[in-house]
Amino acid sequence: RKEVEQDPGPFNVPEGATVAFNCTYSNSASQSFFWYRQDCRKEPKLLMSVYSSGNEDGRFTAQLNRASQYISLLIRDSKLSDSATYLCVVTHYNQGGKLIFGQGTELSVKP
Amino acid sequence: NAGVTQTPKFRVLKTGQSMTLLCAQDMNHEYMYWYRQDPGMGLRLIHYSVGEGTTAKGEVPDGYNVSRLKKQNFLLGLESAAPSQTSVYFCASSSILLAGDPYEQYFGPGTRLTVT
Repeated sequence: RKEVEQDPGPFNVPEGATVAFNCTYSNSASQSFFWYRQDCRKEPKLLMSVYSSGNEDGRFTAQLNRASQYISLLIRDSKLSDSATYLCVVTHYNQGGKLIFGQGTELSVKP
Repeated sequence: NAGVTQTPKFRVLKTGQSMTLLCAQDMNHEYMYWYRQDPGMGLRLIHYSVGEGTTAKGEVPDGYNVSRLKKQNFLLGLESAAPSQTSVYFCASSSILLAGDPYEQYFGPGTRLTVT
């Protein structure tokens, strides 16, 4: 079983839709959590960190449930420019900053 | 400020050939990483370094070697390339991960390697 698992999608949604991505992680020692975004054939870039209390950045909301080892990302009012692959990422302290990536969820926003 | 750069951007090798991928960062980061990305597999860590002169194995280190002789550079070597090493290779760097501090890894643009 992979340490970080995501639904690979693809998710095909119309502009303006709300879409939610889910992610589960298996290592209870995981301590930091992130969502990265990767555009086609480009490098991953940090979208947002995920905090225990949940956090929001504009149209994006991230949630963490440590008891269930579950992370989510909600995108409201989807834009064409949101089309990308979203990567769920975890790491542990004292591990040299190693990131553990999920396989990514592909999102395609259509006009 | 170029961030993280990788050389070359594309390469085609024949089975058994060797090559070195170069990663350079100008952010004075302590940590550097090499990942490979394959369809449906996500990014997997090959080797990493927590400081100049130090290296450690990641999840998929076999067939690769690395060196970090200078803080700003991290080299990935393939001694005898195999078709299974056809992939996209990403280098990344970061500051030290500390509890409670913001943390981000910065990635280079990738090297697309094909081994025939």
